[in-house]
Amino acid sequence: NAGVTQTPKFRVLKTGQSMTLLCAQDMNHEYMYWYRQDPGMGLRLIHYSVGEGTTAKGEVPDGYNVSRLKKQNFLLGLESAAPSQTSVYFCASSYLSGARVLQYFGPGTRLTVT
Amino acid sequence: EDQVTQSPEALRLQEGESSSLNCSYTVSGLRGLFWYRQDPGKGPEFLFTLYSAGEEKEKERLKATLTKKESFLHITAPKPEDSATYLCAVQAYSGGSNYKLTFGKGTLLTVNP
Repeated sequence: NAGVTQTPKFRVLKTGQSMTLLCAQDMNHEYMYWYRQDPGMGLRLIHYSVGEGTTAKGEVPDGYNVSRLKKQNFLLGLESAAPSQTSVYFCASSYLSGARVLQYFGPGTRLTVT
Repeated sequence: EDQVTQSPEALRLQEGESSSLNCSYTVSGLRGLFWYRQDPGKGPEFLFTLYSAGEEKEKERLKATLTKKESFLHITAPKPEDSATYLCAVQAYSGGSNYKLTFGKGTLLTVNP
């Protein structure tokens, strides 16, 4: 099992460019999440999905879009990158243990927008 | 609004010097509290989940405890390899189903040899 993988690991964008981050999981988890992590801010939820074909907004969704066309993949898109989106992005997937989510994280994507 | 506050922000220990990290939380109802470890440049790694006040979980030199308002992560005789950022998160009850976690900002632990 590879667990949760993220592509790419690093990326530098110019302001206004677009890109898509890919998250893949091979654990057959129903739920998937995108977070951003900034110094002093902790992990903040951008968007999440509770199943194939579904998405929902998290705490900081502005400037991002997501899609979950296949159960194992969760895509995060930046349509017009801004310097404020410079961050480390983590994807997670989870299953329910009872009613509790146990989240497993990917290794992260470090994005710099200049 | 669910809130999670971790203290201290940073903690420096000598090898073998035991201490505790604190996670205080405010939620409408607690479904679960989670501890993660994060090494530099990596994603968080799951350590423990606690469900009810009075519960304790142990793993090697780490022990997590839970009360109705806070959780402690006790580190006994730490080693340099325990150096990492420790994150606390809560899953709250909400009107419908809630599959989201709210994270604290973490405690950066450094253990010197």
